[in-house]
Amino acid sequence: EVQLVESGGGLSQPGGSLRLSCAASGFTVSSNYMSWVRQAPGKGLEWVSVLFSGYSTYYADSVKGRFTISRDNSKNTLFLQMSSLRAEDTAVYYCARGPVIATNYYFDYWGQGTLVTVSS
Amino acid sequence: QTMVTQEPSFSVSPGGTVTLTCGLTSGSVSPSYYPSWYQQTPGQAPRTLIYTTNTRSSGVPDRFSGSILGNKAALTITGAQADDESDYYCGLYVGSGIWVFGGGTKLTVL
Repeated sequence: EVQLVESGGGLSQPGGSLRLSCAASGFTVSSNYMSWVRQAPGKGLEWVSVLFSGYSTYYADSVKGRFTISRDNSKNTLFLQMSSLRAEDTAVYYCARGPVIATNYYFDYWGQGTLVTVSS
Repeated sequence: QTMVTQEPSFSVSPGGTVTLTCGLTSGSVSPSYYPSWYQQTPGQAPRTLIYTTNTRSSGVPDRFSGSILGNKAALTITGAQADDESDYYCGLYVGSGIWVFGGGTKLTVL
């Protein structure tokens, strides 16, 4: 059974840093593309970043240069290093998996999310 | 910058049919955008309903269907049920490793 469990959320001051983790089970994170998607309180979904199996990474303009996506194959875990945090980064951050057929370009499994709050 | 449009809200009667749409502020949605649809209830993670325009995800009832209608992607619910009351998001792959979600449609069943 595929499971994604996020952790690492919490409170940060503006300008601070946090590292989110997404522990995967039931599959190998290096075999699928993996993304982070966030949802600000009361708002819609916003795609944040993707890490393809070949290590290519892409980011939304809103986080480019501040966030870094990575994975640890030995731990089967996806990460999102967030720095220079802003109030507008406050959101629930979801880890999402791409399908086995990577060229279908959607997300087939989602974690339950971890809340990041940026406030002084 | 590519923006994806959805109706902010929609209402349907139990047993009725409703079609939600997903468009672009500039241009037309085609299968090459790999439209996907996600359902979300308050406090829960999104659930994948439809991918590659019209393929139902595993376990999704066949009352949910996807299509291209005119210049938009569409999600049709036929025979709406009370537990279909949710927020619905479309996602488009715009190429070069980038995805964009619509703002979501809040569906009320009453």
